[in-house]
Amino acid sequence: GESVGLHLPTLSVQEGDNSIINCAYSNSASDYFIWYKQESGKGPQFIIDIRSNMDKRQGQRVTVLLNKTVKHLSLQIAATQPGDSAVYFCAENTPGGYQKVTFGTGTKLQVIP
Amino acid sequence: KAGVTQTPRYLIKTRGQQVTLSCSPISGHRSVSWYQQTPGQGLQFLFEYFSETQRNKGNFPGRFSGRQFSNSRSEMNVSTLELGDSALYLCASRDRGQGSYEQYFGPGTRLTVT
Repeated sequence: GESVGLHLPTLSVQEGDNSIINCAYSNSASDYFIWYKQESGKGPQFIIDIRSNMDKRQGQRVTVLLNKTVKHLSLQIAATQPGDSAVYFCAENTPGGYQKVTFGTGTKLQVIP
Repeated sequence: KAGVTQTPRYLIKTRGQQVTLSCSPISGHRSVSWYQQTPGQGLQFLFEYFSETQRNKGNFPGRFSGRQFSNSRSEMNVSTLELGDSALYLCASRDRGQGSYEQYFGPGTRLTVT
């Protein structure tokens, strides 16, 4: 069945460096992908999204790359800051019938001051 | 606009009991989804309600149920609680009418079953 998984459960990055969080998805029919950030004690918060007809989208300090050939998604955070420490989830939207959003297991980003 | 609110924030129940959690979506959002989050797991989709009708359902047993009211507020119920039901239950709302997939999450209800 459909699944969204993350390659690394924990990522430690030095403050100021760039972070790359990866995600694999299995449903080639998925047409929309989202990255969420979840800080301790809070619900997930939307970071950035990308549609399947794009391969790159940039936001403020964040970039999402989509490679549909290998069904891979990545989130790049530039100049990582302590406030970026959180768990990051990728999610895919599967069309057909009534669309459903499936979340991955999450990657914990630890920023080392 | 006020964000998604969930009540209660924390709950302790014993096995065999039942529990009802409440979610108030962002004003104007008619879609409410529920998720279960446990350590080491991703967000597990429970169900989604739109216009008082369940539109999607995840792979959870029938002990998990929900409903949505005419004001879009939603409740989920878990009957005959098991230890494995201990989790953070998250509610998310979105404006499906605009074709948006972006979900806005509440802070969650932390359920502990003893």
